[in-house]
Amino acid sequence: SQKIEQNSEALNIQEGKTATLTCNYTNYSPAYLQWYRQDPGRGPVFLLLIRENEKEKRKERLKVTFDTTLKQSLFHITASQPADSATYLCAQDFGNEKLTFGTGTRLTIIP
Amino acid sequence: EAQVTQNPRYLITVTGKKLTVTCSQNMNHEYMSWYRQDPGLGLRQIYYSMNVEVTDKGDVPEGYKVSRKEKRNFPLILESPSPNQTSLYFCASSYYGTGPYEQYFGPGTRLTVT
Repeated sequence: SQKIEQNSEALNIQEGKTATLTCNYTNYSPAYLQWYRQDPGRGPVFLLLIRENEKEKRKERLKVTFDTTLKQSLFHITASQPADSATYLCAQDFGNEKLTFGTGTRLTIIP
Repeated sequence: EAQVTQNPRYLITVTGKKLTVTCSQNMNHEYMSWYRQDPGLGLRQIYYSMNVEVTDKGDVPEGYKVSRKEKRNFPLILESPSPNQTSLYFCASSYYGTGPYEQYFGPGTRLTVT
């Protein structure tokens, strides 16, 4: 079955720095990746979607890049704040809205 | 307010006692899905539905049933729950068609089977 890998289970970043999370996806085309934020005990909340023909997508302090050669997406949070602490999930869309999720990266921003 | 609701939010039950977790959305979405989330395993899809009366198995369908009689509702049925179905369950919905589309998740149902 398809597998999405988020390399880091946990990541600690100093407040104000840029947090970078990695997602490795499978060789399925066209590739669409979605990023979600999940707070403890709550449902995931959609953040960004990127298509394989898009190199980069931005939303406020968030940026997602797509490297089709490496089959990798990077998720960046610039000027990180303690309120950004959460688990971030990467998901690949295999068509017909069927999403396969990675196990997530738990991000902690240290004041 | 656009939302996905689930009930109950917390449930403790015993092995073999049939239960239903309800899910409802008010966004007129065609697509609805159930996931379970377990530590170290992430979110795994149980069943999904592309529209009324159209459902299909996800990655972990064993021990679960679903039905889609109305567009807004997508209940999850555990006919004979077992302890390995203890988990956090999420319902999600989205548009369906020439996507991709973001999915909207419910608040979750924490189920414990003893």
